[in-house]
Amino acid sequence: DQQVKQNSPSLSVQEGRISILNCDYTNSMFDYFLWYKKYPAEGPTFLISISSIKDKNEDGRFTVFLNKSAKHLSLHIVPSQPGDSAVYFCAASRIAGGTSYGKLTFGQGTILTVHP
Amino acid sequence: ETGVTQSPTHLIKTRGQQVTLRCSSQSGHNTVSWYQQALGQGPQFIFQYYREEENGRGNFPPRFSGLQFPNYSSELNVNALELDDSALYLCASSLDRSNEKLFFGSGTQLSVL
Repeated sequence: DQQVKQNSPSLSVQEGRISILNCDYTNSMFDYFLWYKKYPAEGPTFLISISSIKDKNEDGRFTVFLNKSAKHLSLHIVPSQPGDSAVYFCAASRIAGGTSYGKLTFGQGTILTVHP
Repeated sequence: ETGVTQSPTHLIKTRGQQVTLRCSSQSGHNTVSWYQQALGQGPQFIFQYYREEENGRGNFPPRFSGLQFPNYSSELNVNALELDDSALYLCASSLDRSNEKLFFGSGTQLSVL
């Protein structure tokens, strides 16, 4: 049962353009969402997060959008840079109730390649 | 500030053997979580330790066990290894158990032959 899905295994973008990575979830109890970036031979690195009480969160070139009714979130990277080439994972958690802390449910990942 | 470190980086075992993986949490962090990442998949939650006690477990059999020590470092033990246990094992630490922002180590790549 894949509760968090990233349906695009890969995405190729030209430097300077926008990268949009998508993620869908099925569990309506999830109330906190995160994006992680992973380079080869390194562990995932936290990028940005969003609580379900918001529909948008920005941090520099990175913006995460959350559509609760559609159970969909997306990560926008503008402008994309070659150094952004990595695997991107979305992850979800249920904070309310305090029993699921630290238990992140990850998607399968999307490989982003930004061409110079 | 020291990040999350894991050892060993690579390990080869045969089916039926036992393995212990080690993790040192980031300075100031008292919570450690372990994840298994199979090839082409996202990380899957194994369990979390908070102040030396298990604080949540994913859908893994009892042959996956763990420990957390007073200095908040941690071990993952897997008994009776199976071929499907071949994966990247990631350790992550956080400031406390109520914090979702995890800091991951580089992982231990386990191959079971």
